[in-house]
Amino acid sequence: EAQVTQNPRYLITVTGKKLTVTCSQNMNHEYMSWYRQDPGLGLRQIYYSMNVEVTDKGDVPEGYKVSRKEKRNFPLILESPSPNQTSLYFCASSLDRGSTDTQYFGPGTRLTVL
Amino acid sequence: GENVEQHPSTLSVQEGDSAVIKCTYSDSASNYFPWYKQELGKRPQLIIDIRSNVGEKKDQRIAVTLNKTAKHFSLHITETQPEDSAVYFCAASETSGSRLTFGEGTQLTVNP
Repeated sequence: EAQVTQNPRYLITVTGKKLTVTCSQNMNHEYMSWYRQDPGLGLRQIYYSMNVEVTDKGDVPEGYKVSRKEKRNFPLILESPSPNQTSLYFCASSLDRGSTDTQYFGPGTRLTVL
Repeated sequence: GENVEQHPSTLSVQEGDSAVIKCTYSDSASNYFPWYKQELGKRPQLIIDIRSNVGEKKDQRIAVTLNKTAKHFSLHITETQPEDSAVYFCAASETSGSRLTFGEGTQLTVNP
């Protein structure tokens, strides 16, 4: 089944404790992206990747890191999480036209930073 | 960068009525405008999209119109049903295909 998966789905952590949210897609998509969703603010792009080893900042990259060592995986890293990073996170992927193509979203990761 | 504004933030209609959600964008280089539907507790899913070389696109009860001159686009849902209740997001993407900017979302409630 073609899909985007994220892990974990729920995470409660404390300020400063490094964490990684994994994202994987099995559709051979070139483009992958991370968004955070907050009430009243919609979905905001954190980072995106047009291809392996190519990543770039979105609208809200501060406090986050990503890597794209292989096509299927695009982990989101929070080196030192803070309470303002409490949010619902979505990973998405699309075929070869990047953000001008259908985005397939993962199920979401609800993160709480205490 | 691109800025997308979406109105209204909430919309309540009676079953069978039409619903219209409007978005404006700021970057004239944007050329792709998708609409996503997000049901409660679920992931966003594409319902319709339009590219800048087209003024209108329709898919059954859903239609999208685009006015490039005024830099706004709208989602039209006719004969609304309770299962249309969800949050709807508009978005805009520039030609390079790198960044996608979303609106703030509209909570649509269809009352039986």
